[in-house]
Amino acid sequence: GENVEQHPSTLSVQEGDSAVIKCTYSDSASNYFPWYKQELGKRPQLIIDIRSNVGEKKDQRIAVTLNKTAKHFSLHITETQPEDSAVYFCAASRPSNLFFGTGTRLTVIP
Amino acid sequence: KAGVTQTPRYLIKTRGQQVTLSCSPISGHRSVSWYQQTPGQGLQFLFEYFSETQRNKGNFPGRFSGRQFSNSRSEMNVSTLELGDSALYLCASSLQGENTEAFFGQGTRLTVV
Repeated sequence: GENVEQHPSTLSVQEGDSAVIKCTYSDSASNYFPWYKQELGKRPQLIIDIRSNVGEKKDQRIAVTLNKTAKHFSLHITETQPEDSAVYFCAASRPSNLFFGTGTRLTVIP
Repeated sequence: KAGVTQTPRYLIKTRGQQVTLSCSPISGHRSVSWYQQTPGQGLQFLFEYFSETQRNKGNFPGRFSGRQFSNSRSEMNVSTLELGDSALYLCASSLQGENTEAFFGQGTRLTVV
């Protein structure tokens, strides 16, 4: 099956700085890579996703890059704000299965 | 449009008992997946149902089972509960399940004592 590794497990940044979270996956058949944000006590919510035919996608302060050859993808958050503090999960999807990384707890220090 | 609804929100059971959790997907969504979330383990895939058929299954023992009804509502059952089954159980629904956004419910917090 698919194995998704996510680093770092915790990340603290100053408000306004950038944050980068990296994930690797093992199954070359995976072709959809979403990122979810989970605030304390709340459900995970999709913040951005990328498909395997695209190398980069951006949505305001959030961007995701994908390197299919190396089987890794990354989340970039620029100009971080305190409300970005949460746990972020990457995932890799073979059709109809989502395999998640173990999460990164991001803390943005005001 | 109503979101994904899970019931109950909290459960306390004793070892050896069984439990049934329910998930009502977003209207029109035919795929329902279940995940177990524990600290340090992230979200682990249990199984996925599409049009009443289990399409995929994760690496969980046979004590974990599920089903999906014709209205796409899904139930998950855990028999012979163990202390290690204590977790947040999340379900997610999507239109087709394949490479489309999954919408999560609030989860059911199961505590086994």
